[in-house]
Amino acid sequence: DAEITQSPRHKITETGRQVTLACHQTWNHNNMFWYRQDLGHGLRLIHYSYGVQDTNKGEVSDGYSVSRSNTEDLPLTLESAASSQTSVYFCASSEQGADTQYFGPGTRLTVL
Amino acid sequence: AQKITQTQPGMFVQEKEAVTLDCTYDTSDQSYGLFWYKQPSSGEMIFLIYQGSYDEQNATEGRYSLNFQKARKSANLVISASQLGDSAMYFCAMRALYSGAGSYQLTFGKGTKLSVIP
Repeated sequence: DAEITQSPRHKITETGRQVTLACHQTWNHNNMFWYRQDLGHGLRLIHYSYGVQDTNKGEVSDGYSVSRSNTEDLPLTLESAASSQTSVYFCASSEQGADTQYFGPGTRLTVL
Repeated sequence: AQKITQTQPGMFVQEKEAVTLDCTYDTSDQSYGLFWYKQPSSGEMIFLIYQGSYDEQNATEGRYSLNFQKARKSANLVISASQLGDSAMYFCAMRALYSGAGSYQLTFGKGTKLSVIP
């Protein structure tokens, strides 16, 4: 079955380190998204991509970057991790022209 | 800009009873879509139901229905015959329906925690 996976599922890192969270989908969806979820804020969009080589900033993009070199993957990089980036990160994807986004299982990141 | 408001941080419902989770929205877009997602304690986000602003009939998916009142800008989720497995966080979300940059972004509310009592 087609799916969307995230790795690692849990990560503990130190302030100042570079961290990359992986997102891989096998639906061949053009659209991919990264969200963070924090208590009291719901989910907020970090970055999104509508296809290979396309990336766009979302509501809370400062301190994060993405790259899209193929259809299946959209890795999220924290250039220099900060304690404020401790959160649960969700990747999602959707078909071009479709309404519904499907979410990965999430990655819990702790920055000490 | 879009905004979703879920005014109920927590709700309790007796098993087998129906429950309504409130969602109001604000947007200047003419065409938009409204979504509900469920997040159980295991953490995954599960898509439940979708309503387009152009749909004249309320959406239904099994025990879930979306009570869409466009003039009031509300999109309440109704769960009939609640089950213990319905205990979860529920998020209302929306996106504008147009082509081009930003068109697929979802804006989420802060969620409602539903607890089903045996």
